Amino acid sequence: AQSVTQLDSQVPVFEEAPVELRCNYSSSVSVYLFWYVQYPNQGLQLLLKYLSGSTLVKGINGFEAEFNKSQTSFHLRKPSVHISDTAEYFCAVSDPGLTGGGNKLTFGTGTQLKVEL
Amino acid sequence: DSGVTQTPKHLITATGQRVTLRCSPRSGDLSVYWYQQSLDQGLQFLIHYYNGEERAKGNILERFSAQQFPDLHSELNLSSLELGDSALYFCASAPRGVGNTEAFFGQGTRLTVV
Repeated sequence: AQSVTQLDSQVPVFEEAPVELRCNYSSSVSVYLFWYVQYPNQGLQLLLKYLSGSTLVKGINGFEAEFNKSQTSFHLRKPSVHISDTAEYFCAVSDPGLTGGGNKLTFGTGTQLKVEL
Repeated sequence: DSGVTQTPKHLITATGQRVTLRCSPRSGDLSVYWYQQSLDQGLQFLIHYYNGEERAKGNILERFSAQQFPDLHSELNLSSLELGDSALYFCASAPRGVGNTEAFFGQGTRLTVV
């Protein structure tokens, strides 16, 4: 079974500072990895995804993540955050090997990023 | 706007009642996923439908059921509601499977059981 661990439930950071949100996954097979963002009272929006190829993935709003197979990690980074980045961030994993029309996302518990002035 | 529409946005109902949540996927998407988001459980996968057929079940209670209709919209039925069923229920759609593409989420239905 797959699982995702987001160790940090909250990350406070000052505006224009860099940030890293940590994500570790557990799976016995190859995986696809995703980061989603949820703004207050909104649905989830995809930030970026890793399917294969380059381990450094760039997403929207200046975010990027690096897939590290040996450490089973997929940490999210942004070099300079803005107040508008305040939101909850979810790491998710899916199994590309499953057939039958697709498969579910398994989410981590989320990390609340709070950007302060 | 993700293109996924969920109605209603808010729902307040009493314990023991039954409610139906509706989801209209993006045009052309065949897969619909339902998730429950609560403070204590986080985001939990409930069920997946593909082109009208149930494909996977997650942590879905027996009091809950879902279906996907020929026009591909889906409904999640919650019955004998309990206080603990209060949560945000999300629907997501994908063209085929989520394996090689993203799932597009609706804005959710916030269910409050009183």
